[in-house]
Amino acid sequence: RKEVEQDPGPFNVPEGATVAFNCTYSNSASQSFFWYRQDCRKEPKLLMSVYSSGNEDGRFTAQLNRASQYISLLIRDSKLSDSATYLCAVNTGGFKTIFGAGTRLFVKA
Amino acid sequence: DVKVTQSSRYLVKRTGEKVFLECVQDMDHENMFWYRQDPGLGLRLIYFSYDVKMKEKGDIPEGYSVSREKKERFSLILESASTNQTSMYLCASNGGFPLGYTFGSGTRLTVV
Repeated sequence: RKEVEQDPGPFNVPEGATVAFNCTYSNSASQSFFWYRQDCRKEPKLLMSVYSSGNEDGRFTAQLNRASQYISLLIRDSKLSDSATYLCAVNTGGFKTIFGAGTRLFVKA
Repeated sequence: DVKVTQSSRYLVKRTGEKVFLECVQDMDHENMFWYRQDPGLGLRLIYFSYDVKMKEKGDIPEGYSVSREKKERFSLILESASTNQTSMYLCASNGGFPLGYTFGSGTRLTVV
């Protein structure tokens, strides 16, 4: 089993839709969690950190469920410009951060 | 904004060549990382460094070495390039934990 797993998608949604991705992790001692956005042939960029209490930034909401060992990213009112690959990342302590392979999102007009 | 700069966007090298990938960050970060990214496999950690002259192996260090002589610069070296090292190489830095990473724009290396 991979340490961090994501549904690769693709998720195809119309503009204005709400879409959610999950990311599961296997190490219960994981300490910090992140979502990154990666456009085609570009580098990942930090989208948001995921706190125990949840985190909201505009149309984006990230949540952590420690009991079930997953994090989620919710995008409301999807825009064409949201089309990208979304990577989750889990820090298991110290310097080790493990990335998921990413979920592809296509938002269509 | 933190800037992480990788010296080359695209490189084509021959099998057996020694390859140097350079990475420079301008925010005085202690921690620097080298990842490779392959389709379906995600990002895999090759090496990281938490201080000048300090280095630690990541998950896939075989065939690679690193150098950190100055705080702002972290170099990845492919001792003898092989075709299975064809990949996107990403350098990253952060100022400590639990902060996220800032990535460079990547070097797409092709070994022929």
